[in-house]
Amino acid sequence: KNEVEQSPQNLTAQEGEFITINCSYSVGISALHWLQQHPGGGIVSLFMLSSGKKKHGRLIATINIQEKHSSLHITASHPRDSAVYICAVNSGGSNYKLTFGKGTLLTVNP
Amino acid sequence: SQTIHQWPATLVQPVGSPLSLECTVEGTSNPNLYWYRQAAGRGLQLLFYSVGIGQISSEVPQNLSASRPQDRQFILSSKKLLLSDSGFYLCAWSFGLGNQPQHFGDGTRLSIL
Repeated sequence: KNEVEQSPQNLTAQEGEFITINCSYSVGISALHWLQQHPGGGIVSLFMLSSGKKKHGRLIATINIQEKHSSLHITASHPRDSAVYICAVNSGGSNYKLTFGKGTLLTVNP
Repeated sequence: SQTIHQWPATLVQPVGSPLSLECTVEGTSNPNLYWYRQAAGRGLQLLFYSVGIGQISSEVPQNLSASRPQDRQFILSSKKLLLSDSGFYLCAWSFGLGNQPQHFGDGTRLSIL
């Protein structure tokens, strides 16, 4: 079993829809990251959080430490949001090593 | 501001040939540096990380090696490539203290023939 599980694996939405991507982890963590990988392969860090909630534009990330679960929400989705969204965690007392989920492929249709 | 450069963007190499991928960071000093591989259909896997010049930690046994000859330069190498070395290689950096976001290069798509 992977230490970091994401769901769904694939997600197709219509423009304007509210989107939720989930991440569950099985180890103790010091931080959780959400990353966005564009079709060309480049990766952008969206959020790093260890508690509560963070918001940036139309993106919202939440984490529940007790339940070992995080969600990434996209409001008013747009075709340019189409990408792979990756959850990763710092665990095992390491500030350096990230353990990654396999990613969620999001396609937003106009 | 900080920037990270990784090259080449794509590379096609025959089995048994050597490899050298280079990554440089600008706009910061003493960053943590990382090499990741993303195999087809799989998540990112940490290959190496470095917290300083000449300091390399390897995460998984493999056919690859890494070096950090200068503070902001990180090189991924192999003496003889295997078919299984094909994949997408990403370099990343972060500030050194505490949990920090990692900032990724654009990646190198390596195909072994």
